[in-house]
Amino acid sequence: KNQVEQSPQSLIILEGKNCTLQCNYTVSPFSNLRWYKQDTGRGPVSLTIMTFSENTKSNGRYTATLDADTKQSSLHITASQLSDSASYICVVSRDGGSQGNLIFGKGTKLSVKP
Amino acid sequence: DTGVSQDPRHKITKRGQNVTFRCDPISEHNRLYWYRQTLGQGPEFLTYFQNEAQLEKSRLLSDRFSAERPKGSFSTLEIQRTEQGDSAMYLCASSPIGRPQDIQYFGAGTRLSVL
Repeated sequence: KNQVEQSPQSLIILEGKNCTLQCNYTVSPFSNLRWYKQDTGRGPVSLTIMTFSENTKSNGRYTATLDADTKQSSLHITASQLSDSASYICVVSRDGGSQGNLIFGKGTKLSVKP
Repeated sequence: DTGVSQDPRHKITKRGQNVTFRCDPISEHNRLYWYRQTLGQGPEFLTYFQNEAQLEKSRLLSDRFSAERPKGSFSTLEIQRTEQGDSAMYLCASSPIGRPQDIQYFGAGTRLSVL
């Protein structure tokens, strides 16, 4: 079954600290993996997108990694800010799949406290 | 504003009523998607248009749901005879045609509450 599992479900950290969010997937065949940030009451916003051959990709303080062998990805946030408080959703696309074959994780809810 | 626009932002309705949501994609984006998101869950795919053609519908899209994109620009999603289980955030996204790694740009969503 094609699934995307994220951990932890929720996380609370202090402002300025780093954190790492995890994403494990069983989607096959794999095409690409995306991380989205979703503020409360808003639509998701794309942070990174990685294909099979990419191991890491950065977007400012966000760095995503991908291990296609173990089917794991992580999103590392450096020097967290209050505005990083949001849900972070991992999305995996199936190769050759239709547009309906974006498999979404349930997200990790991050709270950054002052 | 050049982002994806959705209207209304919030809709409260009574069970059994019909509701219609509108999505205006980013200009010149050929692809338009509808998703449903419930609390604590990721978005679930409902349907997808390429220009005016509805190319795919999820099994989640029951007979009570219908989506249109008549001129290949804005789209509407109608839910007939709403049920309490329809309460959710309905997200619209658009993307340009081309690369398989196209990033979907999401609107802010329409939150539906069925009483």
